[in-house]
Formats: sequence, C-alpha cells, structure tokens
Amino acid sequence: QKEVEQNSGPLSVPEGAIASLNCTYSDRGSQSFFWYRQYSGKSPELIMSIYSNGDKEDGRFTAQLNKASQYVSLLIRDSQPSDSATYLCAVYAGGTSYGKLTFGQGTILTVHP
Amino acid sequence: DVKVTQSSRYLVKRTGEKVFLECVQDMDHENMFWYRQDPGLGLRLIYFSYDVKMKEKGDIPEGYSVSREKKERFSLILESASTNQTSMYLCASSSPVLGGYTFGSGTRLTVV
Repeated sequence: QKEVEQNSGPLSVPEGAIASLNCTYSDRGSQSFFWYRQYSGKSPELIMSIYSNGDKEDGRFTAQLNKASQYVSLLIRDSQPSDSATYLCAVYAGGTSYGKLTFGQGTILTVHP
Repeated sequence: DVKVTQSSRYLVKRTGEKVFLECVQDMDHENMFWYRQDPGLGLRLIYFSYDVKMKEKGDIPEGYSVSREKKERFSLILESASTNQTSMYLCASSSPVLGGYTFGSGTRLTVV
C-alpha cells in the first residue's frame, strides 16, 4: 500500500510566523509532488508542485523535496489569517498509475492574529 | 487554465433514487477521477477513467458506477442512493505527463 503521511496537526501559528508542513511518502519511485490548499467547504486548489530535489519558491510559499529521505515539505512565510485552511500533500507515482495521486490526510493550519 | 465543471453545487435526493453527478473538463485531459470526502476520512477514490469508455475501480466503488462516453465528460452514478452516501463529491482531471489534478468545485450531496 503506497502511503503518504502528513504531520497530524492541527497546526496553529501567529500571524507573520513561518508555518512548516511536512509529508513523507513510502513509494521511492514517486515522481511528482503537490501541495493543495482546501478552505472549509471548498474544493482543493493546487498551490505548489515540485519534481526534483531541492527548493522551489513561489511568493510566500516554498516547497522542499528530498527524495533520498522520501520527504516533502511546504513552508509558508509571513503567515496570514487567510492561509488558515487544510493543506493536502499529494504524490504521483508515475508509470502505469494513470495520473492517480495518493493524498495524505491533510494538516489543518490556523493562523491567529 | 484548465476548468473542471461539476453540474451541481448542492443536491438533495431521497433514499433509493438514482443520482447522476456530471463532470466536464475543457483541456482534453485523458484522466478523470471521482472522489468523495468525509470529515476525518480524507479523500477516497471511487472510480477513475484513463480514456473514453475505460474505467477502473478505486478504493470504494461499491454502490457507484461511472460513464465516460466522451473524453471531456465523466459521470458518477449512484444506482440507489443511501444515507451513507451523503458526502462531498469531487471530480478531478489530469494530464498523464506530470500528474497533478485540477478539481471541480465539488457537489455536496445529501441523501434523506
């Protein structure tokens, strides 16, 4: 069973702080990694994708991938109350998986003023 | 941008009814997926399709069927709705090249 595990949360950080969300995956051959943000009652929206080892920055968001450790993380700098949401880590194994993603259970982030 | 459209945002159906949930994508994606999402259970894959008329069962296919007669449209069918199928239903599509889904806005189905 291919698994994706996220830090269980919920995670609460003060406004302006760095929020760190972590994810590990079991399939060493996984090729692509995604972070989705989901507001309550809404559908998930893609905020970051990363395909190779290292860091990828987009505005206040940085995704980090370490394939040797099978670890992917999302850092949110200068956290805002509008960042309060559930964050889903998703992994794509490639090959014959027909584009199917394996999702973690999600981490609830609350940014308090 | 890829757009995935689900036909209804909210639905209320009676137990035993046959329910159709429609999903249309506009980017010629091969792969389409149906999930349900319940509190504490995360996203659970019901069915997916990798081509017209091709379908595969996901993790929880019981009580559901699907139809993909055209590439852009993927329908989820609840053959005889039951109260335990009350849930948020999410459709997604993806390109097989790099993966990654675009989700529809979801359908919140209540079966009474």
